[in-house]
Amino acid sequence: QKEVEQDPGPLSVPEGAIVSLNCTYSNSAFQYFMWYRQYSRKGPELLMYTYSSGNKEDGRFTAQVDKSSKYISLFIRDSQPSDSATYLCAMKVAGNQFYFGTGTSLTVIP
Amino acid sequence: GVTQSPTHLIKTRGQQVTLRCSSQSGHNTVSWYQQALGQGPQFIFQYYREEENGRGNFPPRFSGLQFPNDSSELNVNALELDDSALYLCASSAGGTGETQYFGPGTRLLVL
Repeated sequence: QKEVEQDPGPLSVPEGAIVSLNCTYSNSAFQYFMWYRQYSRKGPELLMYTYSSGNKEDGRFTAQVDKSSKYISLFIRDSQPSDSATYLCAMKVAGNQFYFGTGTSLTVIP
Repeated sequence: GVTQSPTHLIKTRGQQVTLRCSSQSGHNTVSWYQQALGQGPQFIFQYYREEENGRGNFPPRFSGLQFPNDSSELNVNALELDDSALYLCASSAGGTGETQYFGPGTRLLVL
C-alpha cells in the first residue's frame, strides 16, 4: 500500500464549477499537509499547507484535513481555464521526509 | 526564484552526473526530488546548513552537497536506465520545508 493515494483522473469540468480533489493516506505520523499545482514541463507550485484538522481558505482555494479519516481535500471554487494543471497532494512526517501523491490531472473547459 | 542547471541532460548507463540548484534568496534549506513521467515527486533528501537532515528511500549512489551560499548539488553515480526522470530542487527557510518553492527541474535521460 502506498503511503499516499491520489486518483490520477483525468478530471474535466466546465468553467465556473467547483472542483474537489482528494488524497488518502495510511501513516498517522504525517504532520503537515500540502497541495501543489504543476503545469506541464514546470516545477510544482505551492498552493496551500496546513498542519491541523479542519479547513483553511485562501481565495478560491480551500484545503480540508480530516486526520481521523486520514483524508485530505482541496476545493477550487469558480474554476478557470488557467486552473488546468496537475494537482499534487504532499505530506510530511517528523524527520523531514516528504511523500507526494501521483497527482490529479484537471482540465477546466471554457 | 529557484534555478537549476542544466535544463536537459543525456547520459549513458554507468556514468556519473551532477545537477545544480541555486536556492531562492534567504532560503537555507534545499530538498531534491525525482519525478518519473506521470508520477508524483519522490523525496531524495534535504539539506539544512550544509548537513543532510532528511533522506528518502534512495540508495547511497545518490548523494548531495549544500554550499555556504545555500546552492546545492545532486550527484548520482553508476547511472541506471530507471534514473531517467525530472530532478527537482526545492528551497525553503528554517530547516523544515513545509513551504518550499520548486525550481523548473533538470530532465535526465539515461541511455
